[in-house]
Amino acid sequence: EVQLVESGGGLVQPGGSLRLSCAASGFTFSSYWMNWVRQAPGKGLVWVSSIKSDGSSTSYADSVRGRFTISRDNAKNTLYLQMSSLRAEDTAVYYCATLPVVAVADYWGQGTLVTVSS
Amino acid sequence: DVVMTQSPLSLPVTLGQPASISCRSSQSLVHSDGNTYLNWFLQRPGQSPRRLIYKVSNRDSGVPDRFSGSGSGTDFTLKVSRVEAEDVGIYYCMQGTHWPRTFGGGTKVEIK
Repeated sequence: EVQLVESGGGLVQPGGSLRLSCAASGFTFSSYWMNWVRQAPGKGLVWVSSIKSDGSSTSYADSVRGRFTISRDNAKNTLYLQMSSLRAEDTAVYYCATLPVVAVADYWGQGTLVTVSS
Repeated sequence: DVVMTQSPLSLPVTLGQPASISCRSSQSLVHSDGNTYLNWFLQRPGQSPRRLIYKVSNRDSGVPDRFSGSGSGTDFTLKVSRVEAEDVGIYYCMQGTHWPRTFGGGTKVEIK
C-alpha cells in the first residue's frame, strides 16, 4: 500500500522555524520528483516547492524562496521542508505529493497543519 | 507566472445530469516537447486531492469514464457526463508546463 505520511506541523510564532517531514512507502520514492503543496484554511491549492528524484534540482514559489528549503533522503524514503522566517500567511495544511504531469501515479499525503500565530 | 482561471466558482448539479468546468491559462500550455501538461484534480470534502486527468485528456487509473478532459493551448474543459453523489467536491486544474506550477482557484461541485 502506498503511503505518504507528513509530520512536523504545529503552532509556531511569527519569525520562527519548523521542519516538515514526509515518509514514503509502497512505491519507488527515489524515482519520483516530489513536491510540497499547501492549502490555507478554506482556500485553494498552492504549489510550494519541488525536488528532482535524485535531489539535484529544486524549485520554489516566489512567496517562499529564500525562507523554505526542500530536501530529500532517498535512503530513508523521506522528503523534508525546512521552513524559517515564518509568517502568518504561511498558515496552511501542507501536503507532500508526487504531482506528476505524465503517466505515472499521483500520490498525496494526508497533510500536516502549520499555524503561524503569536 | 501562468495564471489559471476556472469557471464557474460554484456548480450546483442535479444527480444524473452533466457538468462542465472551464479552465483557462494566461499563456499557452504547449511545452517545447510538444505535450500539453494540464491536470485535473478532485478534492472531496475532508480528503486530500486526487488527480483525475493528466495531459489534458488522459484519465488516471480507476477514474470512471464519465469524466473526460479536452482542450488545447489556453482553453481546457473537464466534463462529467452524469454526476453521481461521489463527484461532490472541489475541482482544480493545474498546469505542469511552466515553472512555477500553478493551480486554478477551484470549482465547487454540489448536488442541487
